[in-house]
Amino acid sequence: DVKVTQSSRYLVKRTGEKVFLECVQDMDHENMFWYRQDPGLGLRLIYFSYDVKMKEKGDIPEGYSVSREKKERFSLILESASTNQTSMYLCASTYSGIPYNEQFFGPGTRLTVL
Amino acid sequence: QKEVEQDPGPLSVPEGAIVSLNCTYSNSAFQYFMWYRQYSRKGPELLMYTYSSGNKEDGRFTAQVDKSSKYISLFIRDSQPSDSATYLCAMSTGNQFYFGTGTSLTVIP
Repeated sequence: DVKVTQSSRYLVKRTGEKVFLECVQDMDHENMFWYRQDPGLGLRLIYFSYDVKMKEKGDIPEGYSVSREKKERFSLILESASTNQTSMYLCASTYSGIPYNEQFFGPGTRLTVL
Repeated sequence: QKEVEQDPGPLSVPEGAIVSLNCTYSNSAFQYFMWYRQYSRKGPELLMYTYSSGNKEDGRFTAQVDKSSKYISLFIRDSQPSDSATYLCAMSTGNQFYFGTGTSLTVIP
């Protein structure tokens, strides 16, 4: 059974704190993604990675950074958390091959920044 | 203009009804069309996907793609309370992936 796991389901942090969200997949997927999901805005891509140590900015990278040191692990870092980063964060992974279609999602981390 | 437009609903139907969910898009380069289902407090999971135009059926679910109108649909026959979820359409050019905002569906027993 394929799996994408995320380090926390719920997280509460204070403004200015550094926050680490971790994602691990066991499917040997090349591509990994971080999204945030907000009501009325849907899924928005923050960053993605198509290989170890490679990263590409998505649509809303400001205030975030990522790290991919191992193929199975993709971390999202909030350097200095702000209240407008309160959101549901979803990690996903997929194969590189065509069809480039199915993304497998983790259960999500609901982050609240106070 | 957004790449993908989806009516957020919410949609509420009685059990057994036929449900129609729709998305429109603007990018003619989209080739892969998907529907994801997301239960409350869970990540989205792939429900169906189609390549290019046409219909695809899987049990009570039918996905339709009309590339000439840039319009995709998901039909749910004999809807069940367990179908209550948010449904997201998604599209891909092969390199880039775009999601709709999701339609919230409640099926009332």
